[in-house]
Amino acid sequence: AQSVTQLDSQVPVFEEAPVELRCNYSSSVSVYLFWYVQYPNQGLQLLLKYLSGSTLVESINGFEAEFNKSQTSFHLRKPSVHISDTAEYFCAVSPQTGANNLFFGTGTRLTVIP
Amino acid sequence: DGGITQSPKYLFRKEGQNVTLSCEQNLNHDAMYWYRQDPGQGLRLIYYSQIVNDFQKGDIAEGYSVSREKKESFPLTVTSAQKNPTAFYLCASSAGFGGNTIYFGEGSWLTVV
Repeated sequence: AQSVTQLDSQVPVFEEAPVELRCNYSSSVSVYLFWYVQYPNQGLQLLLKYLSGSTLVESINGFEAEFNKSQTSFHLRKPSVHISDTAEYFCAVSPQTGANNLFFGTGTRLTVIP
Repeated sequence: DGGITQSPKYLFRKEGQNVTLSCEQNLNHDAMYWYRQDPGQGLRLIYYSQIVNDFQKGDIAEGYSVSREKKESFPLTVTSAQKNPTAFYLCASSAGFGGNTIYFGEGSWLTVV
């Protein structure tokens, strides 16, 4: 079984400040890891994912996440946030074998303050 | 443009009625999914289908039904047996297994009145 814990339900941060959104997971099998972003009343968009190789993965809009196997974490970071980053962020895992299903955390609402 | 189309965007249902949410994809994906989103609970899997004419229950399948008669279509019926159907419903698809990205539609809001 898989479970994902996002430790912060809401994170307010000032514009141009750094941010970290925390994600920990538990799984009896090896998993792939994902971060999705959701803007109000919209579907989810993939932000970045870790499948294998380098443990640090980056997105095109400045976010990065690092897979830490020993701590079973996949925290999301950005060195300087913009107003447009205000959204809900979901961490998810998918088993490496079997059906390609996603198991989600409960989400973190990031609010960027001008 | 390629993508996943969900309709309707907003739907109101009277108690005791069944409603069907449409999901169509033109990405040529084999796998399709339905998720339910409630505030503060993240997304929960209702049903998924890995291939035409086959589907599996997810974590919260009770009160829902699906069909997969065509590769591009995966409609979800919310039956009167679903005790608390008011939620945001998201359809998704992926090319298959092995970490393939799951893509989401824009979602459908269902409200029971």
